[in-house]
Amino acid sequence: QKEVEQNSGPLSVPEGAIASLNCTYSDRVSQSFFWYRQYSGKSPELIMSIYSNGDKEDGRFTAQLNKASQYVSLLIRDSQPSDSATYLCAVLTSSNTGKLIFGQGTTLQVKP
Amino acid sequence: GAGVSQTPSNKVTEKGKYVELRCDPISGHTALYWYRQSLGQGPEFLIYFQGTGAADDSGLPNDRFFAVRPEGSVSTLKIQRTERGDSAVYLCASSRQGRDSPLHFGNGTRLTVT
Repeated sequence: QKEVEQNSGPLSVPEGAIASLNCTYSDRVSQSFFWYRQYSGKSPELIMSIYSNGDKEDGRFTAQLNKASQYVSLLIRDSQPSDSATYLCAVLTSSNTGKLIFGQGTTLQVKP
Repeated sequence: GAGVSQTPSNKVTEKGKYVELRCDPISGHTALYWYRQSLGQGPEFLIYFQGTGAADDSGLPNDRFFAVRPEGSVSTLKIQRTERGDSAVYLCASSRQGRDSPLHFGNGTRLTVT
């Protein structure tokens, strides 16, 4: 079992719709979770972090965390073509070394 | 510069050769990470430095790979006896602290082993 799992997609949504991206992780005691966005040919950039169960909203983005189910999600409201990218889920492992593990990423396509 | 700088941006080498990849992190960032990313995959953890020491090198695939950060700033990833399977984009990232601080990535070095 991979430490961080994502559906590779592509996930295709029409412009203006809500895009829902999902991630599961295997280390039950992980405490910190991140969503990075990566445009084709570019490096990842952080868009959201979440540490507690529940929802965290930032503009059009909402991160959701359920530690009991070991599940993290990212919702993008009012999706725009410029949101088309690969979204990477990253989990800070329970070790004290600060090792951050990424999933394989989900490719999102927002169609005009 | 304001961001993480990686050099070279592209490196083509022959199988069996030795390569060095350099990373210059953001000033003041004590944590430095190396990742490797293949097409269609997420970044694969290689090694993490906190200051000068390697806090976690569990991702290095084998003893051909080695990384140093002698003064707690610039880091060099060294690959001996390169193999075609080493071809990938090597990403460096830095952060203020090792835990719970966002990673700032460089533009990567695309390594091609022929």
